[in-house]
Amino acid sequence: GQNIDQPTEMTATEGAIVQINCTYQTSGFNGLFWYQQHAGEAPTFLSYNVLDGLEEKGRFSSFLSRSKGYSYLLLKELQMKDSASYLCAGLETGANNLFFGTGTRLTVIP
Amino acid sequence: GAVVSQHPSWVICKSGTSVKIECRSLDFQATTMFWYRQFPKQSLMLMATSNEGSKATYEQGVEKDKFLINHASLTLSTLTVTSAHPEDSSFYICSARDPSQGAIGYTFGSGTRLTVV
Repeated sequence: GQNIDQPTEMTATEGAIVQINCTYQTSGFNGLFWYQQHAGEAPTFLSYNVLDGLEEKGRFSSFLSRSKGYSYLLLKELQMKDSASYLCAGLETGANNLFFGTGTRLTVIP
Repeated sequence: GAVVSQHPSWVICKSGTSVKIECRSLDFQATTMFWYRQFPKQSLMLMATSNEGSKATYEQGVEKDKFLINHASLTLSTLTVTSAHPEDSSFYICSARDPSQGAIGYTFGSGTRLTVV
């Protein structure tokens, strides 16, 4: 089985940095994804981690610790358009589908 | 990059009628597609895995006779919500994986907002 936990809501200020945490439990780990989803739209891919460490991509970075079952998404220089839901999703060994956490709704305020 | 097209983007139907939602992979072949349902302020819940040329695999609690899935070709899967009721109102999203992209090849359709009145 699998389970993913992440905070339901977060608020941060424009220009600041925010870290969204995700913990997971799975019987066979094969990668951790982060997606961004604006209301009423499809999720868009942000990052994929399968090895421990930090992956940086512009203003967004994602970190993974497989031994701790832990990941975070770091958003720098926040912009108003970053207000969205951020979905942590896992891929199990031998499985085809992603399993999603509840998503974290981030609100960026001026 | 890989594109998945989903239609319609929104639909309103009367209680008791059926609604078909289409999901197409436009520039790759998808032997497997996934159907998710998302209620307001909640995350995506996998309903079923659609397998080309064979029966779909449904998640526990999802009625296969109510949510009919057909995956007749390598680029098209359809989800039919039969005898729809107001509680079926939700946001339905399909996903497909482009095998040439490896693990990051999961692409989502734009979603279908279903409202049953």
